[in-house]
Amino acid sequence: QSVLTQPPSASGTPGQRVTISCSGSSFNIGGNTVSWYQQIPGTAPKLLIYSTNQRPSGVPDRFSGSKSGTSASLAISGLQCEEEADYYCATWDGSLNGPVFGGGTKLTVL
Amino acid sequence: QVQLVQSGAEVKEPGASVKVSCKASGYTFTGHYIHWVRQAPGQGPEWMGWISPNTGGTRYALKFQDRVTTASDTSISTAYMELSRLTSDDTAVYYCARGGQFWSNGNWYWHSFDHWGQGTLVTVSS
Repeated sequence: QSVLTQPPSASGTPGQRVTISCSGSSFNIGGNTVSWYQQIPGTAPKLLIYSTNQRPSGVPDRFSGSKSGTSASLAISGLQCEEEADYYCATWDGSLNGPVFGGGTKLTVL
Repeated sequence: QVQLVQSGAEVKEPGASVKVSCKASGYTFTGHYIHWVRQAPGQGPEWMGWISPNTGGTRYALKFQDRVTTASDTSISTAYMELSRLTSDDTAVYYCARGGQFWSNGNWYWHSFDHWGQGTLVTVSS
């Protein structure tokens, strides 16, 4: 199983705000920044958020990230149908000495 | 624009080795680490290791340490990952990804995988 824990599924209707959580420990999220990725089935993951709350150029500001203690969250506001995808969190793990991922959350847009 | 283009799908028998290439363009190849990440069917991504094209330095996840080798050829901006002693559990899509990084206290630190290759499907089957 994955080092970081995410809910397996989430859902929302178009225009709604949804959040996806990512839980870890003091060895990973607690001491490091978090990144988030969107993966449409059959394609490579795409970076959405880095350094916990920074968006790469081209990522809409409807996507935002935050962290508190050993948990992090990705929020998507104004949900759009094309955002139905799998979402993964990742961070550095100091005990494993490398990046680790969450198991992923499948977001369904109803 | 940054691009990472990987080699094509492979089918291997158990016990064999596979070598995947990743050609980078659109940025200074020696300026970023190249990471290798794999994703088994229906699973989340799993980090395997990285290489610094600048120094040739490498680091691998403990799980793969005795079976994986990464290399780079700066003359053609290409990184390689070789995985040996394949089993059916190694059936997965293998990605190369550029390491996003920040500078702090005299060192570079990883913060994300900011660009990804398209993936290479490796199927291990007899």
